[in-house]
Amino acid sequence: EVQLVESGGGLVQPGRSLKLSCVASGFTFSNYGMNWIRQAPGKGLEWVAYISSGSSYIYYAETVKGRFTISRDNAKNTLYLQMTSLRSEDTALYYCASLRTYYYSSYIYRYFDYWGQGVMVTVSS
Amino acid sequence: DIQMTQSPASLSASLGETVSIECLASEGISNDLAWYQQKSGKSPQLLIYAASRLQDGVPSRFSGSGSGTRYSLKISGMQPEDEADYFCQQSYKYPRTFGGGTKLELK
Repeated sequence: EVQLVESGGGLVQPGRSLKLSCVASGFTFSNYGMNWIRQAPGKGLEWVAYISSGSSYIYYAETVKGRFTISRDNAKNTLYLQMTSLRSEDTALYYCASLRTYYYSSYIYRYFDYWGQGVMVTVSS
Repeated sequence: DIQMTQSPASLSASLGETVSIECLASEGISNDLAWYQQKSGKSPQLLIYAASRLQDGVPSRFSGSGSGTRYSLKISGMQPEDEADYFCQQSYKYPRTFGGGTKLELK
């Protein structure tokens, strides 16, 4: 059974840092790209960051670029999100999600197939 | 960024009713679109990928269609367990973007 378990959230003051972790099990973690996606209370979904299976490719949303760093440790089956210079607008439930690909007619379709339960980050003084 | 405009924002359906949710992309996304269902207090779950392919384990009453910039999710026969929020999402370009969501309630 695939499991993604996030941790590391909490209440933090504006301008401070926090590091989230996501431990994966039930699949070969090192073979798959991973993402962080967040959801502010009562709001929709916002993609935050992506890291490829071997960490060669990394992308960020503009809203977090320069402040957040995504990384992974394939030996530990763990995905990370280092968050610095936190702002009130970063308050959200943060999900890690695995990326799957589907090949059809010379095109590679990508989608988020498994999601963790989420970890809450609250930025407030 | 590719904007995903989802409609309606909310709708109410009776048991057994067929419902449709639309998603309009600001540019063509070559069917690189997924649909997710999020029940209250739960994580999103994948329903459809590549615009029309049903994820394993998802009931066949869910279907996806569309091309270019216009896509839709159809539920053929509303069930109580379908009460949830639904989101479309494009993977054609970075940043990945989601629609604003549709809240589906049972009438």
